[in-house]
Amino acid sequence: KQEVTQIPAALSVPEGENLVLNCSFTDSAIYNLQWFRQDPGKGLTSLLLIQSSQREQTSGRLNASLDKSSGRSTLYIAASQPGDSATYLCAVLVDSSYKLIFGSGTRLLVRP
Amino acid sequence: SAVISQKPSRDICQRGTSLTIQCQVDSQVTMMFWYRQQPGQSLTLIATANQGSEATYESGFVIDKFPISRPNLTFSTLTVSNMSPEDSSIYLCSVDGRVDGYTFGSGTRLTVV
Repeated sequence: KQEVTQIPAALSVPEGENLVLNCSFTDSAIYNLQWFRQDPGKGLTSLLLIQSSQREQTSGRLNASLDKSSGRSTLYIAASQPGDSATYLCAVLVDSSYKLIFGSGTRLLVRP
Repeated sequence: SAVISQKPSRDICQRGTSLTIQCQVDSQVTMMFWYRQQPGQSLTLIATANQGSEATYESGFVIDKFPISRPNLTFSTLTVSNMSPEDSSIYLCSVDGRVDGYTFGSGTRLTVV
């Protein structure tokens, strides 16, 4: 059974700092991995999608990497801003399924 | 990627009543998904809805409590029936995105009093 873990659960950093969020999964047979952002009480906004054949994806100040063999993904946020404060969720799509399996999220606070 | 309109965005309901949540997609999609996010928790899949067939429910979720309709390829509803305070959660719909990634509605924040 696929399990997804995110570390740390919460993170507080000063504005301008570069930071790394971690996601690990137990079964390497994934179709893709997706990073989302969730503001309090709101829906999910897709940030980056990495297909199983890819190693990384970049969008603006965000870079996500994927290492299938070790069951790990990282989300790198450069030059963090207070507007980046949100919960970040990673989710894997199991190879033979249409079901997304979510991690428990990292709650990020960027202090001005 | 598909754009999903979900409503209502939030509601406060009395226990014992029911609430129907709607999701409208701007393009035809084969599969739609309904998730629940309890306070402080991550997302849990409730059911998968295909047009023209009954929804497939995950373990712990039953049709009598969460009836789902999927009348066409762009629309679905989830009803939360006979509500109790334990049903207070954010409910989200999503559409299949194996190629471009999954897209989610803006969520319905339900409080049962």
